[in-house]
Amino acid sequence: DQQVKQNSPSLSVQEGRISILNCDYTNSMFDYFLWYKKYPAEGPTFLISISSIKDKNEDGRFTVFLNKSAKHLSLHIVPSQPGDSAVYFCAASPEIIFGKGTRLHILP
Amino acid sequence: GAGVSQSPSNKVTEKGKDVELRCDPISGHTALYWYRQSLGQGLEFLIYFQGNSAPDKSGLPSDRFSAERTGGSVSTLTIQRTQQEDSAVYLCASSPQTSGYEQYFGPGTRLTVT
Repeated sequence: DQQVKQNSPSLSVQEGRISILNCDYTNSMFDYFLWYKKYPAEGPTFLISISSIKDKNEDGRFTVFLNKSAKHLSLHIVPSQPGDSAVYFCAASPEIIFGKGTRLHILP
Repeated sequence: GAGVSQSPSNKVTEKGKDVELRCDPISGHTALYWYRQSLGQGLEFLIYFQGNSAPDKSGLPSDRFSAERTGGSVSTLTIQRTQQEDSAVYLCASSPQTSGYEQYFGPGTRLTVT
């Protein structure tokens, strides 16, 4: 039973548009959420996080939104750039459980 | 500063052989994690070390898998009698804090069992 779900295995977005990556979770005890970005043949790198006491965290082009009542979070990237093409993993703490990832492809 | 390093970067082994994968975490990081990523799958948690506490081994898939962390630093993941389903990328991560903080990942070891 997956506690952290990323239901879209892949997503294609036009360069310059907004990319929205979604993540759902089932465990209401999760108190911290993180997004990682992974390029091929590299380890994941931390992107942005959000505490459960907040509903939004912004860092440059990246914004994470948390809807606790829906147990849903999303990562917004705007404007999308070619270098954003990667696999994005959602993760939840305290148990550090990762979703299966969403492959984002930015179209020129 | 130096990040998390893993060795070897690639390992091809025959079914039934034992393998050892090494992880050098970032100096001073008290938490160390092992994950594996199989083809088309997400990150599967294997084991977690935090300081001198007993490791959380809840993710190890079978008793063929074991891990050690010597001196609170370097860690070795050992897989005995490898099977083809063990083929995956094995990722190590370290963190300066307990859960709730970001992890720093190594580049991974790609293990292929033939």
